[in-house]
Amino acid sequence: DAKTTQPPSMDCAEGRAANLPCNHSTISGNEYVYWYRQIHSQGPQYIIHGLKNNETNEMASLIITEDRKSSTLILPHATLRDTAVYYCIAGFMTTDSWGKLQFGAGTQVVVTP
Amino acid sequence: GAGVSQSPRYKVAKRGQDVALRCDPISGHVSLFWYQQALGQGPEFLTYFQNEAQLDKSGLPSDRFFAERPEGSVSTLKIQRTQQEDSAVYLCAGGDPPTDTQYFGPGTRLTVL
Repeated sequence: DAKTTQPPSMDCAEGRAANLPCNHSTISGNEYVYWYRQIHSQGPQYIIHGLKNNETNEMASLIITEDRKSSTLILPHATLRDTAVYYCIAGFMTTDSWGKLQFGAGTQVVVTP
Repeated sequence: GAGVSQSPRYKVAKRGQDVALRCDPISGHVSLFWYQQALGQGPEFLTYFQNEAQLDKSGLPSDRFFAERPEGSVSTLKIQRTQQEDSAVYLCAGGDPPTDTQYFGPGTRLTVL
């Protein structure tokens, strides 16, 4: 699975958009980009995933560059409850492999009032 | 229940003791994963079940670690002769291919003294 690189931490003001970058320059053509987050003392929570098209759901938007070497997770209106570690993961669909996730260190996002 | 449950939530063991950690996935979920999360790090894959079959155990760190899922629902992760380096949070996740969303439990925090 491709390795991903994320900044270790970032701050965001409550009510503003949070843009979380991720580099995955060695991603292969059939690897998806997944985003999970982990709030303190809880298990990781799925946010969104995509292959090459931009994706949006009720939690966030995922923007993937045309060359697929990087992506950005956008939390449109950050709240204090969005404070968490955010993980960007490149991996295969379960139809191609077991779908096991290879987490890195993630980005610690702190939303401040 | 509505989500993945794990028990116990906290376990303190003396070095050399055997421990058993339980995971109750969401009913009907075919896939079940175990991950280990050391303090300050992202989760690391341990093993994967598809129904009752253990299809991947490449992440188990030693032969002291053993996992089972005999009826394709509840799973148990057993660690024999615990060592201090086994201290971590053990996370269980379930899913139903091919949606690729993994639903995590809250984890069991194991402390080996």
